[in-house]
Amino acid sequence: QVQLVQSGAEVKKPGASVRVSCKVSGFTLSDYYMHWIRQAPGQGLEWMGIIDPTGSTGSARRFKGRFAMTTDMSTSTVYMQLSSLTSGDSAVYYCARVPNLFPSVTAPLFDFWGQGTLVTVSS
Amino acid sequence: QTVVTQEPSLTVSPGGTITLTCASSTGAVTSGFYPNWFQQKPGQAPRALIYSISNKHSWTPARFSGSLLGGKAALTLSGVQPEDEAEYYCQLYYGSGSWEFGGGTKLTVL
Repeated sequence: QVQLVQSGAEVKKPGASVRVSCKVSGFTLSDYYMHWIRQAPGQGLEWMGIIDPTGSTGSARRFKGRFAMTTDMSTSTVYMQLSSLTSGDSAVYYCARVPNLFPSVTAPLFDFWGQGTLVTVSS
Repeated sequence: QTVVTQEPSLTVSPGGTITLTCASSTGAVTSGFYPNWFQQKPGQAPRALIYSISNKHSWTPARFSGSLLGGKAALTLSGVQPEDEAEYYCQLYYGSGSWEFGGGTKLTVL
């Protein structure tokens, strides 16, 4: 069955960096774009960025310069790293998948998500 | 700065019908925005309900339907159940792999 399993909770100090992993199973990673979304406490969902099977990335303007994503096809794992953390980055971070044929082919989008990783930024 | 707008909160009676909407600050929402809808309950990850305007996932109850309505994306719940009380998020596509979420609608079933 399809699974996206994320790494555990992190506590970081302001100015530090955090890396979150998303290990997938039950499907072929190269058939999907992988997205990262976050949700601050009590707030809505915020799209952060996308990585395609070739490793090309795109991110929301507000994260440019301090947000990076990588993929390790050998372990079917996607990573995100956010640097220069502030308290405003405290949130639950999610990975989710979109078929790499989008938008040419109509297929389920963002159908499976990771369980979320809580990142707390505190001095 | 692109903004996606949803009703902050709505209330519906059990068995009733309600429509949630999703607007884009760039203009009318069309098929090219591939609107998606998600349901989120407290402490849980979002659950996908509708993709690309009106397509249901295999687990989406029949009472949920998606459409384009008056320049907005819309999610209609017909025959609302108590378990439908949740936060609902829409999501729109802005090209080059980029998406935006709406602020969410808190649906109360009362």
